[in-house]
Amino acid sequence: KQEVTQIPAALSVPEGENLVLNCSFTDSAIYNLQWFRQDPGKGLTSLLLIQSSQREQTSGRLNASLDKSSGRSTLYIAASQPGDSATYLCAVITDSSYKLIFGSGTRLLVRP
Amino acid sequence: EPEVTQTPSHQVTQMGQEVILRCVPISNHLYFYWYRQILGQKVEFLVSFYNNEISEKSEIFDDQFSVERPDGSNFTLKIRSTKLEDSAMYFCASSVLSGVNTEAFFGQGTRLTVV
Repeated sequence: KQEVTQIPAALSVPEGENLVLNCSFTDSAIYNLQWFRQDPGKGLTSLLLIQSSQREQTSGRLNASLDKSSGRSTLYIAASQPGDSATYLCAVITDSSYKLIFGSGTRLLVRP
Repeated sequence: EPEVTQTPSHQVTQMGQEVILRCVPISNHLYFYWYRQILGQKVEFLVSFYNNEISEKSEIFDDQFSVERPDGSNFTLKIRSTKLEDSAMYFCASSVLSGVNTEAFFGQGTRLTVV
């Protein structure tokens, strides 16, 4: 059974820092991996999708990497801003049902 | 930019009552999903729907739950007789599923409170 783990559970950094969020999954036979942002009490906003054949994807200040063989993905946020404060979720798709299996998230606070 | 729309944003219902949560997926998407998130817990898959039938459902999705696409735009989740433990944020999602593009887009959620 696929399990997704995210560490750390919470992170507080000063504005301007570069930071890395980690995601690990137990079954390396994934289709794709998707990173989301969730603001308190709100929905999930898709940030990046990494297909299983890719090793990384970039969008603005965000860069996500994928190492399937070791069951890991990282989300790198450059020059963090207070507006980046949110919970970041990673989720994997492992079979043809295309359902997402989520980690519990990393709660990020960027201090001005 | 196209988005997934959910209504209502918040629903309070008494235990044992039926509720219907509504969603309008992105218009050219083919796969539709419901997920839920109990406060402080992970987002959990409930059901996926494709070509007017359920593709997969989780063990949470028991006989009290049903989904329907009553017309070309709406996608609904019905809970027949709500329990206190059904209180959660319910998210609808959709994806186009073209080739390897499985990117899912989520709505803002419906917060269901069962009292």
